[in-house]
Amino acid sequence: EAGVAQSPRYKIIEKRQSVAFWCNPISGHATLYWYQQILGQGPKLLIQFQNNGVVDDSQLPKDRFSAERLKGVDSTLKIQPAKLEDSAVYLCASSFGGYSGNTIYFGEGSWLTVV
Amino acid sequence: GQNIDQPTEMTATEGAIVQINCTYQTSGFNGLFWYQQHAGEAPTFLSYNVLDGLEEKGRFSSFLSRSKGYSYLLLKELQMKDSASYLCAAANQAGTALIFGKGTTLSVSS
Repeated sequence: EAGVAQSPRYKIIEKRQSVAFWCNPISGHATLYWYQQILGQGPKLLIQFQNNGVVDDSQLPKDRFSAERLKGVDSTLKIQPAKLEDSAVYLCASSFGGYSGNTIYFGEGSWLTVV
Repeated sequence: GQNIDQPTEMTATEGAIVQINCTYQTSGFNGLFWYQQHAGEAPTFLSYNVLDGLEEKGRFSSFLSRSKGYSYLLLKELQMKDSASYLCAAANQAGTALIFGKGTTLSVSS
C-alpha cells in the first residue's frame, strides 16, 4: 500500500516569499490533515479536511496560510508571505475516518527553512 | 485548557526496560495515541488506547487510566534502533482534534 506522498521534501525561501506544498493521501482515506512541527516540539494541527470540506482550521494563520482539497483527494498548503517563524516541517497525514480509533498515517514531511 | 505533558529526554541501555509517562488534559477525551518519530522522519503509529488498561504489542505496551488522565508507553528489551522521539497524543471528545505532546527523546546506548 502506498503511503502519504508529499512534495517538495525540502524548501528554502526568503522571508516574504511564497511557498506551496502538495500532498497525496493514502487511497480511500477521506480525512486529510496538515500539521506544522517546529524543531523540538510535537506536531500542531493546522487544518483538517473531511473529503473536500474543512472540519477544523482554528489554528491556521489565515492571514498568510491557505489550504485546499478541491476534489477530495490531493491537497495543497500555501504560505504567503512567509515569516522566519514559519521554518518547520509541514506534515501531511491521512486516515480512513476521523480520530475515533482510526490510525493516522503521516507523510515524510516538507521541510521549510525561511531565511 | 488542553495540555499534554511528557518528559523531554530519557536514556537507557540496550536490553533494558523503559517507561515513558504522559499526562493529558483535553476538552473531552476520545483516545490516546503513541507515535514513534526517528530524526528526520515522519511519525509512525505505535498504539491506541481508549479504554483503561494495558495493551500489549510485542516489545511495546501502552497503558491508560482515564480517571487519572495518564498513560505510559513501556518498551522492553531495548534495541539501539529504539532511539527516537516518542509522541503522546490525545483525541478530543468530538474526534476532531489530536493534541500532541512535545515528545520524549529516548537515547539507547550499548
